[in-house]
Amino acid sequence: QVQLQESGPGLVKPSETLSLICTVSGDSVNSARYHWSWVRQPPGKGLEWIGHTYPSGNINYNPSLKSRLTISVDTSKNQLSLKLTSVTSADTAVYYCAAYEVGAGGRGSWGQGTLVAVSS
Amino acid sequence: DIQMTQSPSTLSASVGDRVTITCRASQSLSHWLAWYQQKPGKAPKLLIYKVSNLESGVPSRFSGSGSGTEFTLTISSLQPDDFATYYCQQYLSYLWTFGQGTKVEIK
Repeated sequence: QVQLQESGPGLVKPSETLSLICTVSGDSVNSARYHWSWVRQPPGKGLEWIGHTYPSGNINYNPSLKSRLTISVDTSKNQLSLKLTSVTSADTAVYYCAAYEVGAGGRGSWGQGTLVAVSS
Repeated sequence: DIQMTQSPSTLSASVGDRVTITCRASQSLSHWLAWYQQKPGKAPKLLIYKVSNLESGVPSRFSGSGSGTEFTLTISSLQPDDFATYYCQQYLSYLWTFGQGTKVEIK
């Protein structure tokens, strides 16, 4: 089973760029079996889908974040990355990476999540 | 975008109760709906995929049903380990969305 581990700074200043890495083990980020995904959860609030990849290489983004967001895959390091620019306190959240099996309607694996606070 | 509306937002119940959570979609989802359980400080855990398929290892007291735009998660006999927050998620559109969550509390 694929395993995922998020990493990144726990604190980012307002207006700066939030950068996170998800290290994948147990399969390749090149695998056509998965949609590689990011989900976030502000403290005390619900889950928000951020975006996901397709085996074709296409990436879908949450429209509310699209103008500030980049999701990419680094095959040499077997990692998924997220970059969110011009952050505000509203971007404070636990960020999860997840591998959803293609066509499986929700089956897959999740990382444990990493908390990112936006504060000066 | 497909909007997902869960009800109730909070549910108070006792051990042994039958519990039903509803998720309504703004358009028909076919079978592209999943249910998750989340406990504080933990990642969501998949319970049900494709409306009614029980994920491996999930107790049989959990079940999912529904079609079109209305779906339900049922816990047939609530156990102490089931007090948590539950989310639905749709995968029909290219923009995936979650419901706002239902917190199941001890009565």
